[in-house]
Amino acid sequence: QKEVEQNSGPLSVPEGAIASLNCTYSDRGSQSFFWYRQYSGKSPELIMFIYSNGDKEDGRFTAQLNKASQYVSLLIRDSQPSDSATYLCAVNRGAGANSKLTFGKGITLSVRP
Amino acid sequence: ETGVTQSPTHLIKTRGQQVTLRCSSQSGHNTVSWYQQALGQGPQFIFQYYREEENGRGNFPPRFSGLQFPNYSSELNVNALELDDSALYLCASSHAGARGYNEQFFGPGTRLTVL
Repeated sequence: QKEVEQNSGPLSVPEGAIASLNCTYSDRGSQSFFWYRQYSGKSPELIMFIYSNGDKEDGRFTAQLNKASQYVSLLIRDSQPSDSATYLCAVNRGAGANSKLTFGKGITLSVRP
Repeated sequence: ETGVTQSPTHLIKTRGQQVTLRCSSQSGHNTVSWYQQALGQGPQFIFQYYREEENGRGNFPPRFSGLQFPNYSSELNVNALELDDSALYLCASSHAGARGYNEQFFGPGTRLTVL
Protein backbone atom coordinates (compact mmCIF):
# COMPACT_ATOMS: atom_id res chain seq x y z
CA GLN A 1 0.00 0.00 0.00
CA LYS A 2 1.36 3.39 -0.97
CA GLU A 3 1.80 5.91 1.84
CA VAL A 4 -0.33 8.53 0.11
CA GLU A 5 -2.76 7.63 -2.64
CA GLN A 6 -4.79 9.90 -4.84
CA ASN A 7 -7.69 8.58 -6.89
CA SER A 8 -6.82 7.98 -10.47
CA GLY A 9 -7.31 10.80 -12.91
CA PRO A 10 -7.47 12.80 -14.92
CA LEU A 11 -10.59 14.54 -13.68
CA SER A 12 -12.63 16.71 -16.01
CA VAL A 13 -15.44 19.01 -14.86
CA PRO A 14 -17.41 21.77 -16.59
CA GLU A 15 -16.85 25.37 -15.61
CA GLY A 16 -18.89 26.29 -12.55
CA ALA A 17 -19.11 22.72 -11.22
CA ILE A 18 -17.68 21.33 -7.99
CA ALA A 19 -14.46 19.38 -8.35
CA SER A 20 -13.83 16.76 -5.67
CA LEU A 21 -10.29 15.50 -5.16
CA ASN A 22 -9.62 12.66 -2.75
CA CYS A 23 -6.55 11.35 -0.99
CA THR A 24 -5.96 8.45 1.42
CA TYR A 25 -2.94 7.86 3.62
CA SER A 26 -1.60 4.85 5.45
CA ASP A 27 0.27 6.29 8.45
CA ARG A 28 -2.13 6.85 11.37
CA GLY A 29 0.53 8.99 13.05
CA SER A 30 0.20 11.67 10.38
CA GLN A 31 -0.46 15.04 11.91
CA SER A 32 -1.05 17.60 9.20
CA PHE A 33 -2.23 17.51 5.64
CA PHE A 34 -1.59 19.80 2.72
CA TRP A 35 -2.96 20.45 -0.74
CA TYR A 36 -0.67 21.89 -3.38
CA ARG A 37 -1.53 23.02 -6.89
CA GLN A 38 1.06 22.56 -9.62
CA TYR A 39 0.70 24.08 -13.06
CA SER A 40 2.56 22.36 -15.88
CA GLY A 41 6.24 23.23 -15.78
CA LYS A 42 5.94 25.09 -12.48
CA SER A 43 6.61 24.26 -8.85
CA PRO A 44 3.92 23.28 -6.31
CA GLU A 45 1.95 26.14 -4.74
CA LEU A 46 0.36 25.68 -1.31
CA ILE A 47 -3.43 25.99 -1.41
CA MET A 48 -4.53 24.79 2.01
CA PHE A 49 -3.51 22.80 5.04
CA ILE A 50 -5.63 21.08 7.67
CA TYR A 51 -4.82 19.23 10.89
CA SER A 52 -8.14 18.82 12.72
CA ASN A 53 -10.99 16.53 11.75
CA GLY A 54 -13.75 18.28 9.86
CA ASP A 55 -13.89 20.97 7.22
CA LYS A 56 -11.75 24.01 6.60
CA GLU A 57 -12.89 26.59 4.07
CA ASP A 58 -10.89 29.22 2.23
CA GLY A 59 -12.73 31.01 -0.53
CA ARG A 60 -13.78 28.49 -3.17
CA PHE A 61 -11.69 25.74 -1.57
CA THR A 62 -12.73 23.40 1.22
CA ALA A 63 -10.43 20.82 2.74
CA GLN A 64 -11.98 17.91 4.62
CA LEU A 65 -10.16 15.58 7.00
CA ASN A 66 -11.30 12.30 8.50
CA LYS A 67 -8.50 10.75 10.54
CA ALA A 68 -10.51 7.67 11.49
CA SER A 69 -10.96 6.78 7.84
CA GLN A 70 -7.53 8.16 6.91
CA TYR A 71 -8.67 10.35 4.10
CA VAL A 72 -8.42 13.99 3.18
CA SER A 73 -10.23 15.69 0.36
CA LEU A 74 -10.29 19.00 -1.46
CA LEU A 75 -13.45 20.51 -2.89
CA ILE A 76 -13.24 23.30 -5.43
CA ARG A 77 -16.52 25.15 -5.86
CA ASP A 78 -17.42 27.16 -8.97
CA SER A 79 -14.49 25.61 -10.85
CA GLN A 80 -12.75 27.90 -13.31
CA PRO A 81 -10.54 27.06 -16.32
CA SER A 82 -7.66 28.63 -14.35
CA ASP A 83 -8.07 25.80 -11.79
CA SER A 84 -6.84 23.34 -14.44
CA ALA A 85 -3.65 21.93 -12.91
CA THR A 86 -2.27 18.93 -11.05
CA TYR A 87 -3.29 18.80 -7.39
CA LEU A 88 -0.89 17.16 -4.96
CA CYS A 89 -1.91 15.80 -1.58
CA ALA A 90 0.87 15.81 1.03
CA VAL A 91 0.96 14.29 4.49
CA ASN A 92 3.23 15.30 7.35
CA ARG A 93 3.98 12.82 10.12
CA GLY A 94 6.23 15.10 12.10
CA ALA A 95 5.90 18.58 13.50
CA GLY A 96 8.10 21.60 13.89
CA ALA A 97 11.65 20.92 12.80
CA ASN A 98 10.81 17.28 12.10
CA SER A 99 8.33 17.98 9.35
CA LYS A 100 8.69 15.87 6.25
CA LEU A 101 6.09 15.85 3.52
CA THR A 102 5.08 12.62 1.78
CA PHE A 103 3.29 13.34 -1.47
CA GLY A 104 0.80 11.46 -3.55
CA LYS A 105 1.28 11.15 -7.27
CA GLY A 106 -1.16 13.97 -7.93
CA ILE A 107 -4.36 14.19 -9.89
CA THR A 108 -4.77 16.30 -12.98
CA LEU A 109 -7.89 18.46 -13.08
CA SER A 110 -9.23 19.89 -16.31
CA VAL A 111 -12.02 22.48 -16.16
CA ARG A 112 -13.91 22.72 -19.46
CA PRO A 113 -15.14 26.21 -20.44
CA GLU B 1 8.83 39.54 1.91
CA THR B 2 11.17 37.61 -0.38
CA GLY B 3 10.05 34.19 -1.56
CA VAL B 4 12.09 31.04 -2.04
CA THR B 5 14.62 31.29 -4.86
CA GLN B 6 16.64 28.57 -6.55
CA SER B 7 19.53 28.53 -8.99
CA PRO B 8 20.19 27.59 -11.65
CA THR B 9 16.86 27.21 -13.43
CA HIS B 10 18.08 24.52 -15.80
CA LEU B 11 21.18 22.37 -15.87
CA ILE B 12 22.50 19.74 -18.25
CA LYS B 13 25.18 17.34 -17.04
CA THR B 14 26.65 14.06 -18.20
CA ARG B 15 26.66 10.80 -16.31
CA GLY B 16 29.35 10.63 -13.63
CA GLN B 17 29.61 14.39 -13.14
CA GLN B 18 28.81 16.30 -9.96
CA VAL B 19 26.28 19.08 -9.53
CA THR B 20 25.48 21.74 -6.91
CA LEU B 21 22.05 23.31 -6.66
CA ARG B 22 21.33 26.36 -4.52
CA CYS B 23 18.35 27.62 -2.57
CA SER B 24 17.62 30.79 -0.63
CA SER B 25 14.88 30.38 1.92
CA GLN B 26 11.96 32.74 2.40
CA SER B 27 12.51 35.63 4.77
CA GLY B 28 11.82 34.54 8.35
CA HIS B 29 12.17 30.81 7.62
CA ASN B 30 14.83 28.67 9.27
CA THR B 31 14.28 25.23 7.71
CA VAL B 32 15.00 24.02 4.20
CA SER B 33 13.81 20.75 2.69
CA TRP B 34 14.84 19.31 -0.65
CA TYR B 35 12.64 17.19 -2.91
CA GLN B 36 13.12 15.36 -6.19
CA GLN B 37 10.21 15.26 -8.61
CA ALA B 38 10.39 12.90 -11.55
CA LEU B 39 8.08 13.48 -14.49
CA GLY B 40 4.51 12.50 -13.69
CA GLN B 41 5.25 11.82 -10.01
CA GLY B 42 4.82 13.66 -6.77
CA PRO B 43 7.87 15.21 -5.08
CA GLN B 44 10.00 12.79 -3.04
CA PHE B 45 11.70 13.95 0.15
CA ILE B 46 15.50 13.95 -0.05
CA PHE B 47 16.49 15.61 3.24
CA GLN B 48 15.88 18.57 5.47
CA TYR B 49 18.22 21.09 7.08
CA TYR B 50 17.57 22.87 10.35
CA ARG B 51 20.13 24.90 12.28
CA GLU B 52 22.78 23.99 9.70
CA GLU B 53 22.42 20.25 10.32
CA GLU B 54 20.72 17.47 8.40
CA ASN B 55 17.46 16.80 10.20
CA GLY B 56 15.83 13.86 8.49
CA ARG B 57 16.59 12.03 5.26
CA GLY B 58 14.51 10.16 2.73
CA ASN B 59 15.45 7.06 0.77
CA PHE B 60 18.31 8.59 -1.18
CA PRO B 61 21.93 7.33 -1.37
CA PRO B 62 24.85 9.16 0.30
CA ARG B 63 25.92 10.68 -3.01
CA PHE B 64 23.10 13.13 -2.32
CA SER B 65 24.41 15.57 0.28
CA GLY B 66 23.68 19.08 1.40
CA LEU B 67 24.58 22.08 3.46
CA GLN B 68 22.77 24.86 5.23
CA PHE B 69 24.46 28.18 5.88
CA PRO B 70 24.01 30.62 8.79
CA ASN B 71 21.65 32.73 6.67
CA TYR B 72 19.49 29.58 6.22
CA SER B 73 20.27 29.23 2.51
CA SER B 74 21.12 25.72 1.39
CA GLU B 75 22.91 23.66 -1.21
CA LEU B 76 22.15 20.23 -2.61
CA ASN B 77 25.12 18.32 -4.01
CA VAL B 78 24.82 15.20 -6.12
CA ASN B 79 27.94 13.19 -6.97
CA ALA B 80 28.41 10.54 -9.65
CA LEU B 81 25.30 11.57 -11.55
CA GLU B 82 23.14 8.82 -13.00
CA LEU B 83 20.58 9.03 -15.80
CA ASP B 84 17.78 8.50 -13.25
CA ASP B 85 18.81 11.66 -11.44
CA SER B 86 17.16 13.66 -14.22
CA ALA B 87 14.30 15.43 -12.49
CA LEU B 88 12.98 18.69 -11.11
CA TYR B 89 14.71 19.48 -7.82
CA LEU B 90 12.62 21.49 -5.45
CA CYS B 91 13.62 23.40 -2.38
CA ALA B 92 10.99 24.22 0.23
CA SER B 93 11.42 26.57 3.15
CA SER B 94 9.46 26.70 6.37
CA HIS B 95 9.67 28.03 9.87
CA ALA B 96 10.05 25.43 12.62
CA GLY B 97 8.23 27.41 15.26
CA ALA B 98 6.23 26.62 18.37
CA ARG B 99 3.03 25.97 16.42
CA GLY B 100 4.50 22.90 14.78
CA TYR B 101 2.29 22.64 11.73
CA ASN B 102 4.70 24.57 9.59
CA GLU B 103 3.74 25.04 5.99
CA GLN B 104 6.40 24.46 3.40
CA PHE B 105 6.71 26.88 0.49
CA PHE B 106 8.45 25.79 -2.67
CA GLY B 107 10.92 27.59 -4.86
CA PRO B 108 10.64 27.50 -8.67
CA GLY B 109 12.86 24.44 -8.91
CA THR B 110 15.93 23.42 -10.88
CA ARG B 111 15.41 21.16 -13.88
CA LEU B 112 18.38 18.77 -14.07
CA THR B 113 18.98 16.70 -17.17
CA VAL B 114 21.64 13.98 -17.09
CA LEU B 115 22.82 12.72 -20.47
